[in-house]
Amino acid sequence: DTGVSQNPRHKITKRGQNVTFRCDPISEHNRLYWYRQTLGQGPEFLTYFQNEAQLEKSRLLSDRFSAERPKGSFSTLEIQRTEQGDSAMYLCASSLASLGTGYTFGSGTRLTVV
Amino acid sequence: AQTVTQSQPEMSVQEAETVTLSCTYDTSESNYYLFWYKQPPSRQMILVIRQEAYKQQNATENRFSVNFQKAAKSFSLKISDSQLGDTAMYFCAFMKLGSQGNLIFGKGTKLSVKP
Repeated sequence: DTGVSQNPRHKITKRGQNVTFRCDPISEHNRLYWYRQTLGQGPEFLTYFQNEAQLEKSRLLSDRFSAERPKGSFSTLEIQRTEQGDSAMYLCASSLASLGTGYTFGSGTRLTVV
Repeated sequence: AQTVTQSQPEMSVQEAETVTLSCTYDTSESNYYLFWYKQPPSRQMILVIRQEAYKQQNATENRFSVNFQKAAKSFSLKISDSQLGDTAMYFCAFMKLGSQGNLIFGKGTKLSVKP
């Protein structure tokens, strides 16, 4: 198992364009999380899946953001009509259903909107 | 709502010395978990240590230990025999039991270990 994999590692896009990120969790983990981390801040929760069901969304996740996890395996996070304020590191993490075990994080996708 | 505060934006320590990173949190919950995560430069975040709130005994993982003071809502991390590879951002995080696993992070402390 290679851990949590995120692609791409870096993405530069022009304002107004759409972008999509992918996360491949650890195969036996049924929970998948998306976080956003801006410079000088800790990660902020965006959304969470258990298997294929999206169970919780943060108010940070505006209607320009959408996340999917078809078949309960990999997940995608799409941002439509990107804005400069969307520039951040987008982190994916996965865990087993038993709470308190902590997450395994991916290396993140760094988005720069110019 | 729960909040996590790390009051030390940056710290430095000499190699082989001991350093303590501070974390306080605010919650009305009685059952929760606390974590310290390490984020090396340009690398992924990894779990350093975790503590269940119902356990009075402080967690220890090799050179890393915590001082958990539940009444004071304090959760500090002590790193003994600091190594150059300990240089990283350190994040304290809170998870409410039954929250579906939503971690709430502090802003982090940047630790530099100097040779």
